[in-house]
Amino acid sequence: KNEVEQSPQNLTAQEGEFITINCSYSVGISALHWLQQHPGGGIVSLFMLSSGKKKHGRLIATINIQEKHSSLHITASHPRDSAVYICAPLSGSGGGADGLTFGKGTHLIIQP
Amino acid sequence: ETGVTQSPTHLIKTRGQQVTLRCSSQSGHNTVSWYQQALGQGPQFIFQYYREEENGRGNFPPRFSGLQFPNYSSELNVNALELDDSALYLCASAPGTYYTSPLHFGNGTRLTVT
Repeated sequence: KNEVEQSPQNLTAQEGEFITINCSYSVGISALHWLQQHPGGGIVSLFMLSSGKKKHGRLIATINIQEKHSSLHITASHPRDSAVYICAPLSGSGGGADGLTFGKGTHLIIQP
Repeated sequence: ETGVTQSPTHLIKTRGQQVTLRCSSQSGHNTVSWYQQALGQGPQFIFQYYREEENGRGNFPPRFSGLQFPNYSSELNVNALELDDSALYLCASAPGTYYTSPLHFGNGTRLTVT
């Protein structure tokens, strides 16, 4: 079973700050998803990556497969970034979601 | 807008009753999976369907069952509801596998069992 640890669990920051959310997992994986969940439940897929780094707007995701670690960065944070951010490493084979393990999430609040 | 619609958005049921939750995915999304998310926790995998066949299941009892239909809609059925079944139920779909495709989630159904 893949143990997923996210840190910090809660983060409050001021608008404009650079934000880093970390994710560590225990089992070797082939891909990892970063998800954003807003109050009310809706989840949006931010990134899916298996190596290196991806950038989308103010969001950057990196992964180090050997060290079993991934980070999500937000530059020039804004109150609309306030949400729960969840990492979900995908282990196993065959493409099944049974290999998808979710972290408990990082609750981010950006204050104006 | 993810293109995945879940209904109903909220539901209240009594212990022992049965419930059916629905998910409508985008055309061409052959893979759909269902998750249970308790308050303050990450989602837990219930099961996955690919082209109308169940091809993966998490650690949930048989009273959790599902169906996927040719029109890319799917159902989650829960029999003999228990208080601990109260949670947000999410479905996610993808055109391919979760190794190659981003996930498209619905907004979830909030189930309360009293």
